[in-house]
Amino acid sequence: GAGVSQSPSNKVTEKGKDVELRCDPISGHTALYWYRQSLGQGLEFLIYFQGNSAPDKSGLPSDRFSAERTGGSVSTLTIQRTQQEDSAVYLCASSLEGVVSNYGYTFGSGTRLTVV
Amino acid sequence: KQEVTQIPAALSVPEGENLVLNCSFTDSAIYNLQWFRQDPGKGLTSLLLIQSSQREQTSGRLNASLDKSSGRSTLYIAASQPGDSATYLCAVRPHTGGFKTIFGAGTRLFVKA
Repeated sequence: GAGVSQSPSNKVTEKGKDVELRCDPISGHTALYWYRQSLGQGLEFLIYFQGNSAPDKSGLPSDRFSAERTGGSVSTLTIQRTQQEDSAVYLCASSLEGVVSNYGYTFGSGTRLTVV
Repeated sequence: KQEVTQIPAALSVPEGENLVLNCSFTDSAIYNLQWFRQDPGKGLTSLLLIQSSQREQTSGRLNASLDKSSGRSTLYIAASQPGDSATYLCAVRPHTGGFKTIFGAGTRLFVKA
């Protein structure tokens, strides 16, 4: 597509429920990133996918968080047993990647998650 | 460990004023530096991308400079308008630490009509 698409744009869920957030990157972009932005805070790295390589999961805050990327395209971020501290805007970005990492990021509009 | 700092944290200026936003980073080993704009409740919009071999990039009323050796970048906004009100984030792509881009906390800009 023309841009990075994220869905849903807003999600309100009850504490303890599982949620799935979706990201559809720009066609042809091999790299996909998930970040989290809590209210008034900076961007917190969560996970990075590059082609067929093993993802960099070093930013996932707990084992309740997981993500997958199917067919090198669409990615789903899953949060199990949601807690109130999970409330944030979840941002996805994609990028062309090559031998050198000199490409910039394109971000989606984000999913605002509210856990009540 | 790469750290990115943006000063000031917030800025309020009258319409028409030229202004400069500052970004500093601790490790000069970077692939590129990118400036983003974020409107309240929205995602990030890329403004300018400067490769490590470049000194500046321009787009319309925006000009971004990069001094890699001193670990500094500036974003110059000419003839500011109320529509420029947003949070501006600086981000660097370091050589180390995998492919994670490191973001500053942003400068919140308010342009008064």
